[in-house]
Amino acid sequence: EVQLVESGGGLIQPGGSLRLSCAASGFTISSNYMSWVRQAPGKGLEWVSVIYSGGSTYYADSVKGRFTISRDNSKNTLYLQMNSLRGDDTAVYYCATSSPNCNGGSCYGYYFDNWGQGTLVTVSS
Amino acid sequence: QTVVTQEPSFSVSPGGTVTLTCGLSSGSVSTSYYPSWYQQTPGQAPRTLIYRTNTRSSGVPDRFSGSILGNKAALTITGAQADDESDYYCVLYMGSGIALFGGGTKLTVL
Repeated sequence: EVQLVESGGGLIQPGGSLRLSCAASGFTISSNYMSWVRQAPGKGLEWVSVIYSGGSTYYADSVKGRFTISRDNSKNTLYLQMNSLRGDDTAVYYCATSSPNCNGGSCYGYYFDNWGQGTLVTVSS
Repeated sequence: QTVVTQEPSFSVSPGGTVTLTCGLSSGSVSTSYYPSWYQQTPGQAPRTLIYRTNTRSSGVPDRFSGSILGNKAALTITGAQADDESDYYCVLYMGSGIALFGGGTKLTVL
């Protein structure tokens, strides 16, 4: 059974840094695409970042240059390093497995498959 | 900047049929955007319903279906039930690794 457990959230001052973790079980993260999705209080879902199985990484414009997605294959854990945090980064952060859309051997894009329960990040002084 | 559009709210009677849509601020949605749909109830993580336009995720009942209707992606719920009352989000794949969520539709069953 696929399980994703996020941790590392909390209260942080503007300009500070935080690292989120997503411990995975039931599958191998290095063989999968993995994403971070966030949800500000009372707002909709927002895609943040994805790491492909081959290691390519992509970011939403809102976090580019400030956030870094990575993984530790030995720990089967996904990370999101968040720097220069701002008030509008306040959100519940979900990690999700992201399966590619493949047809006849070629793959394009992905969708979100399994979700963790999320961890709350509050950026406030 | 491209925006993915969804109806902010919709209501359906129990047993009724409702179609939620997912469009683009400029242009048409096609299968090439690989639309997917997610259901979320308050305080819970999202649940994947539909991917690749019309493929149901494991365990999703067949009263949920996805399609392209005109220039939008669509999620149709047939025989709505009380526990379908949720927020529904679509996602479009925009290329270059970028996924875009719509603003979500709050569905009321009454």
